[in-house]
Amino acid sequence: DQQVKQNSPSLSVQEGRISILNCDYTNSMFDYFLWYKKYPAEGPTFLISISSIKDKNEDGRFTVFLNKSAKHLSLHIVPSQPGDSAVYFCAASEGYNQGGKLIFGQGTELSVKP
Amino acid sequence: NAGVTQTPKFRVLKTGQSMTLLCAQDMNHEYMYWYRQDPGMGLRLIHYSVGEGTTAKGEVPDGYNVSRLKKQNFLLGLESAAPSQTSVYFCASSYQSHREAFFGQGTRLTVV
Repeated sequence: DQQVKQNSPSLSVQEGRISILNCDYTNSMFDYFLWYKKYPAEGPTFLISISSIKDKNEDGRFTVFLNKSAKHLSLHIVPSQPGDSAVYFCAASEGYNQGGKLIFGQGTELSVKP
Repeated sequence: NAGVTQTPKFRVLKTGQSMTLLCAQDMNHEYMYWYRQDPGMGLRLIHYSVGEGTTAKGEVPDGYNVSRLKKQNFLLGLESAAPSQTSVYFCASSYQSHREAFFGQGTRLTVV
């Protein structure tokens, strides 16, 4: 049972345009969400997060939106740059009493073309 | 400040052999995790620990054991390796729940 889903395995965007990566979840107990970026042969690195008490969080070119009623979050990258080409994972936290473990989606490979 | 360090980085095992993957973190984090990454399946949690001396099962614990004898170290053991355990293994640690985890660079394990 996949609790966190990224339904698009890949996305291709032109440099300078907006990249939108999507993530859906099924567990209504999730209350903290994160995005990670992963380059080949490296470990994932934290990008941006959002608590369920908010519906938007920005950090420079990166914005995460949370729609709790739809159990959906998205990551917007504006403007996209070739260095943004990587695999992006969304993750959800089950809560303090569950050991804080993160449940990850399958990942979306973003390719930003010059 | 090394962060999270995994050893070894690569390993080839024969079916039935055993091995231990070592994870060390120097950030004084309470929480540590072992994940495996397989194509099309993202990162799946194998085992995790919420503090020294504690361990708990994740999504895919079968065939693995773990130990957290010291706060900074989290060991992942394969008692009898199987080809299905061919994967990239990532260790991670975090200061508290609900917050970002820091990952090691991964161990690529091939079981033949």
